[in-house]
Amino acid sequence: DIVMTQSPDSLAVSLGERATISCKSSQSLLYTSQNRNYLGWYQQKPGQPPKLLIYWASTRESGVPDRFSGSGSGTDFSLTISSLQAEDVAVYYCQQCYSAPFTFGQGTRLEIK
Amino acid sequence: QLVQSGAVLKKPGESLQISCKGSGYNFATSWIAWVRQMPGKGLESMALIYPRDSTSTYSPSFQGQVTLSADKSLNTAYLQLISLEASDTGIYYCARRGGSEKEAFDLWGQGTMVTVSS
Repeated sequence: DIVMTQSPDSLAVSLGERATISCKSSQSLLYTSQNRNYLGWYQQKPGQPPKLLIYWASTRESGVPDRFSGSGSGTDFSLTISSLQAEDVAVYYCQQCYSAPFTFGQGTRLEIK
Repeated sequence: QLVQSGAVLKKPGESLQISCKGSGYNFATSWIAWVRQMPGKGLESMALIYPRDSTSTYSPSFQGQVTLSADKSLNTAYLQLISLEASDTGIYYCARRGGSEKEAFDLWGQGTMVTVSS
């Protein structure tokens, strides 16, 4: 299986400040023939199922605020929230969709400082 | 949407089946994934099934412990857990794999809480 490793495990950021979460994969997630990285980001709030934020490493899902952005290629990726809002408190997961069983990172808990 | 069956309480050694009913899209032609979340822990991708022909793929971590099935006429996928142990306690989600235009899990069920206790 492809191993996904996120950092940090937890993060506290002040309201209005930038938050950045990193994700590394044990092998490249880039399909060179398509020039696409098979990496997604999810947000999970307490008592709710995960919600897709970003796919293809940098494409925002419909309805996701533009303060959320994804970047990276190959094995190194990041999720950035440009100006943290109170409603962004959640656990964030990256996931590789390059090969089954489509493993997740361990999660990063984001809190308000 | 994806709607899952309700919470269950089982004893060790028992089996159970969770259902996931899709609506509002072509259920047969989108993979359905099953994801486990143990209490206070992260997400684990267990297995996927393609309802049109029931082709399935299993994570090595769950192979032999779970069985997937689907009834495309009912727009429903099923997850069967056998020989339950206390460590199977957790929330089980079904999710739709978006496919070639959106390779991610873009639609999720509400989750089914499974408690295994004597």
